[in-house]
Amino acid sequence: EVQLVESGGGLVQPGGSLKLSCAASGFTFSDSDMHWVRQASGKGLEWVGRITKKANNYATAYAASVKDRFTISRDDSKNTAYLQMNSPKIEDTAVYYCVTPLIVPAGAFNIWGQGTMVTVSP
Amino acid sequence: DIVMTQSPDSLAVSLGERATINCKSSQSILYSSNNRNYLAWYQQKPGQPPKLLIYWASTRESGVPDRFSGSGSGTDFTLTITSLQAEDVAVYYCQQYYATPPYTFGQGTKLEI
Repeated sequence: EVQLVESGGGLVQPGGSLKLSCAASGFTFSDSDMHWVRQASGKGLEWVGRITKKANNYATAYAASVKDRFTISRDDSKNTAYLQMNSPKIEDTAVYYCVTPLIVPAGAFNIWGQGTMVTVSP
Repeated sequence: DIVMTQSPDSLAVSLGERATINCKSSQSILYSSNNRNYLAWYQQKPGQPPKLLIYWASTRESGVPDRFSGSGSGTDFTLTITSLQAEDVAVYYCQQYYATPPYTFGQGTKLEI
């Protein structure tokens, strides 16, 4: 079964740090680009960033709202992607989803994790 | 960045009737070299992650019922649900993957019975 499982969410203070993990199974992780998408409570979807597969040099890209604060990485030996959140702001409070396109166009997201909640609060 | 704007923000449709949701992009998302529109539609039910319904503006994802269809080209797109079922109550999002990053979503349309 194809699956993405996020972990690491919780309460973090503004200016602190938090690292989210996304464990993948059921597909060839090393051949997949990995994305993070977030959703504040009652709000819409916001793409956070992505890391490409090794064949594309593990290239990263970020939304302007998180650039220079968040970092995406991956460990193909562990089939896991990460989102390092540094200096989070209150407005970063959201459910964070790990996402990947599988046998669909590279920008269409058909595999989603269940999400992990991040609350940024003093 | 390409801005995606959906209309309406919410709508109520009777069971068995047709629901139509519109999505407009701030610039064309039609790639002329392959004549494909880089647009996807998602369905999100409460407490669940989004589910991909359609990509390339009109191609149904595997397992999606054929009452869901997508149309449009360039900057104007439509998601149509024919013969609405109770389980179709959800929020629907469009998303462009033409000019990326960033990948941008519409604000969502809440569909009720």
